[in-house]
Parts: sequence; structure tokens; C-alpha cells
Amino acid sequence: GNSVTQMEGPVTLSEEAFLTINCTYTATGYPSLFWYVQYPGEGLQLLLKATKADDKGSNKGFEATYRKETTSFHLEKGSVQVSDSAVYFCALSLLNTGTASKLTFGTGTRLQVTL
Amino acid sequence: DTEVTQTPKHLVMGMTNKKSLKCEQHMGHRAMYWYKQKAKKPPELMFVYSYEKLSINESVPSRFSPECPNSSLLNLHLHALQPEDSALYLCASSQGKQGVGMNTEAFFGQGTRLTVV
Repeated sequence: GNSVTQMEGPVTLSEEAFLTINCTYTATGYPSLFWYVQYPGEGLQLLLKATKADDKGSNKGFEATYRKETTSFHLEKGSVQVSDSAVYFCALSLLNTGTASKLTFGTGTRLQVTL
Repeated sequence: DTEVTQTPKHLVMGMTNKKSLKCEQHMGHRAMYWYKQKAKKPPELMFVYSYEKLSINESVPSRFSPECPNSSLLNLHLHALQPEDSALYLCASSQGKQGVGMNTEAFFGQGTRLTVV
């Protein structure tokens, strides 16, 4: 089956520190990969995506590269801010029923950034 | 516009009540989803609609009844829920069109926080 493994949290960093959240996946087929972010009390927002090997997704200073050889999609940011404090979910998507995609999520990693 | 709108934002209901959650999108997406999210957990898929037809039911109890009246709307009817059904219910949509945008991203609403008392 399909699965996503994320590093355990919480991750606590000082403002302006470098962030890495590891994500690896197992999939039957050729998935698309996503990072979603969830701020307290809110729904999920798409942060970035990659649809094929060696694609780099980027948004708001966050980056992740689709590595097929290591089945990984690690999230990085060079300098985190307090406003980045949230839960980050790695996810994969495979076309399942002809037109609808089925998302498989990792367990989520809580990031807390302090001043 | 990449917005999925859910109403209500909060709902408290008794175990004998009947209520409905509503979801709307105007992005022309043809796939719509209901997810359930418990605290500190990832979302769990409940139902998938493709072209207004139910295509996936993840063995959800019959006290949850989905409905897709048209391509923009998705409802979740609730009846005789249990306290353990208290959770954040998330609606999402994706392009879901034949030959277009395979494996495309899903856009989520803000969710309805449901409390069953």
C-alpha cells in the first residue's frame, strides 16, 4: 500500500534558524507529492507540490525536491519566522478512481518557532 | 479563486439530533472529498465524489450520509452521532477532470469543528 513517513515532532527552533522536516514515501505507481500546512484552528493549506522526479516545489521561502531514488520529499527553509509555527503534513496523491485523487498523509510535524 | 467554503464553522449537537455540514466550491472542480480529523492526527478520508457520483466510501458508519446535489456543493448529513465522532470535518476539492491534471492537489476548506454531546 501507499504510505508517508514524517519525522516525529515537535520541532522547536529559534527565529532565523534553518528548518528541515524529513519525509519519505512508499507508493505503488508514480505519485505527486505535497506539503500542506495547518495553522491552529484552521484547515489545511497547500504549501508546495512536485509532480515528477527532480521537480522542486517552492513557496514562501519553503522548498522541497522530489527524489525518486531515495523516495523522499524533505521540506526546508533557510530562515524560519515565528509566524511559521504550525503543523506540517507531507502527502502523496495517486489517481485512484479515474478522476479523483486519493491523498495519503504523513502523521504531521508540529513546528514551534521562538524569538 | 481557490476557495472552498464550509458552513457552519462550529457545531454542537446532541446524540439524537440531525444536522448537516455544507461545502461549496466555485473552481469548476469535479472531485470533492470529506475528511475527518481528530486532534493531533492527520486527516482521514471518509468519502470521495467524482462527477457528482460517490466513488469512494471508506467504510464510514451509516450515521454519516454524504450528498452531492451539484458540481459545486457537497453536504454531509449527520444523525445519531456518538461523542467519539467529535472532530474537525474538512471538505476538499480537486480538478478531477478526465485527461486533465492527474494527481492534482486538493484544496481544503477551513473545516467544521463538531462537538457531539
